[in-house]
Formats: sequence, C-alpha cells, structure tokens
Amino acid sequence: AQTVTQSQPEMSVQEAETVTLSCTYDTSENNYYLFWYKQPPSRQMILVIRQEAYKQQNATENRFSVNFQKAAKSFSLKISDSQLGDTAMYFCAFMKHVLSGGSNYKLTFGKGTLLTVNP
Amino acid sequence: DGGITQSPKYLFRKEGQNVTLSCEQNLNHDAMYWYRQDPGQGLRLIYYSQIVNDFQKGDIAEGYSVSREKKESFPLTVTSAQKNPTAFYLCAIGTEYSNQPQHFGDGTRLSIL
Repeated sequence: AQTVTQSQPEMSVQEAETVTLSCTYDTSENNYYLFWYKQPPSRQMILVIRQEAYKQQNATENRFSVNFQKAAKSFSLKISDSQLGDTAMYFCAFMKHVLSGGSNYKLTFGKGTLLTVNP
Repeated sequence: DGGITQSPKYLFRKEGQNVTLSCEQNLNHDAMYWYRQDPGQGLRLIYYSQIVNDFQKGDIAEGYSVSREKKESFPLTVTSAQKNPTAFYLCAIGTEYSNQPQHFGDGTRLSIL
C-alpha cells in the first residue's frame, strides 16, 4: 500500500513571498503520478499541478512548481509570489499507473497542509 | 464542478438515525468515489464504484453503505452504526485521463444534533 506524508500541518507566508510545502511518499511502484490539490475555504477541491514519475523535468504551472526527487520519494510544492487567494489547505496525492484507465484511478492523499497568506 | 452535484450542502442527524447523502453526475463517467474528510486527516476513501451494480469498500467503510443502481447516481448512507459521523463528505467521479484523475463535488457537511 502507498502512503503519503505531509509533515507540515500549518504554514504561513507573507504576500508576495515564496513558500515550499513538503510531501514524501512510500511506494514500490515505478510508474505513478503525483498531484497537489488545493482546497480553499469554499471546500472545493482544485487540482493545482501534476507530475508523471517517468518525467525527470519538474512540472510548472504559472506561480506553482514542484521539486520531484524520485529516488528520495519527495514531491514538494513551491508557490512563488504568494497571493491572498492562495490561502487554503493543500493536499499531496499519489496515484499508481494503471493500464485500464479511469475506473481504476484511485488516489491516496496526505493529511494536508494549511497555508495562510498574510497581507 | 458543474458535472457533479452533491446534496444537501448541510445535513443534520439525530442519534440512531440513518441519513443518505446524494451524489449525481451528468458526465457519463463509470467510476465514482466517496471520501470522508476530518480535520488533520486528509481525505479517506469510504467506498468506490467502477460500474453500475458494483462497488467496493475503501479504507473506512464500516458504518456506511452505498448503492449504484444507475450510472448517474451513487448515494451514500451513513448508518447508525457509524459512531462518529460528523465530518465533511466529498463525492468524486473518475475521468478517463490520468492527468486529471478525479473531479470532486462541492461536498456535504454532516453534523450530529
């Protein structure tokens, strides 16, 4: 079974600064996907960024980027130029690669990091 | 997400009562999931269904039941056997794409009166 660990229950950052959220995982799989989800106070789950394990290049989506270290099983999220709207719970999630697709795309979530962006 | 509807948004249960949470989708996807979210616990999988008339237990199925009689609907019943039902419940549908594996509903907050 896979496990996902987020060691920082809460973090805070000043507006416009950079913050990094940590995530480690444990798996015996070689092919898998990693995700960061954002859950703002509205409680809606929003996909922020994704990384395929077979890709060495770190994923980037505008102000969000990841540092994927496959050997270390580490998948941190960096938020640059933090904005007040980034205040949310952030969940790291793991999904192993399956051949048959959609019905078997089960996610394993970490416990989350509550990020507060201060003005 | 406009394709997934969870209702009601807030639900109250008296001790000893069963309650049913609704999850409906109009995206024609086969897979549907129920998660429970507690503070400091992340999302934990309760049940999932890969096809109509079939479903499997997740990690914390005790005290819950589901049905999947129609592709569009995957209701979750919180039974009186669930001793600590107060939580936020999220329904999700599985997509065909590994880069966006699940879409989530807006959730139902269940509280005990």
